[in-house]
Amino acid sequence: DVKVTQSSRYLVKRTGEKVFLECVQDMDHENMFWYRQDPGLGLRLIYFSYDVKMKEKGDIPEGYSVSREKKERFSLILESASTNQTSMYLCASSSQGARQPQHFGDGTRLSIL
Amino acid sequence: DQQVKQNSPSLSVQEGRISILNCDYTNSMFDYFLWYKKYPAEGPTFLISISSIKDKNEDGRFTVFLNKSAKHLSLHIVPSQPGDSAVYFCAARATSGTYKYIFGTGTRLKVLA
Repeated sequence: DVKVTQSSRYLVKRTGEKVFLECVQDMDHENMFWYRQDPGLGLRLIYFSYDVKMKEKGDIPEGYSVSREKKERFSLILESASTNQTSMYLCASSSQGARQPQHFGDGTRLSIL
Repeated sequence: DQQVKQNSPSLSVQEGRISILNCDYTNSMFDYFLWYKKYPAEGPTFLISISSIKDKNEDGRFTVFLNKSAKHLSLHIVPSQPGDSAVYFCAARATSGTYKYIFGTGTRLKVLA
């Protein structure tokens, strides 16, 4: 079974802080993704990566950056957290091949105060 | 602009009956569609998919129907079970060769015992 592990289930940070969300997958997947889930808006793609050190912007990249130094790890960075970044963040991975389903972690509920 | 729409935020069905979840899309370039199920406090899990060259795909109690002319797909669950109570997301792939999926806003299904 694919395991996608997000480092924190709940996180509370303050406005202006730099925040790191970590995600690790154990299936040697090439592709990794970061989404945020908000009520009434579904899942929106922030960034994705199809290889180590490669990244592409999703639909809502503003205020975020990512890092993929190793194949199994994909980090989401909030450079200067703001209250409108309070959300549920979901990491996913998939193997090579555009028709491969994505496997999700259990999410990190981030609150910015 | 929501390219993938799930117009029913919630649905209640009696156990043993059929559940029908609907999804509409606007982009005729979408060629691959998936359904995910999400329980509270867990990440979405892949349920079933369909390619645009088909109009039906079946997997046990779950069947997905695609009507390309209407840009509409639906997920049928027969018979519905209490364990099917979850939020269901449909997702569409933008164009061939991309890893990017567009998700709908989700429909919360409640199966009543």
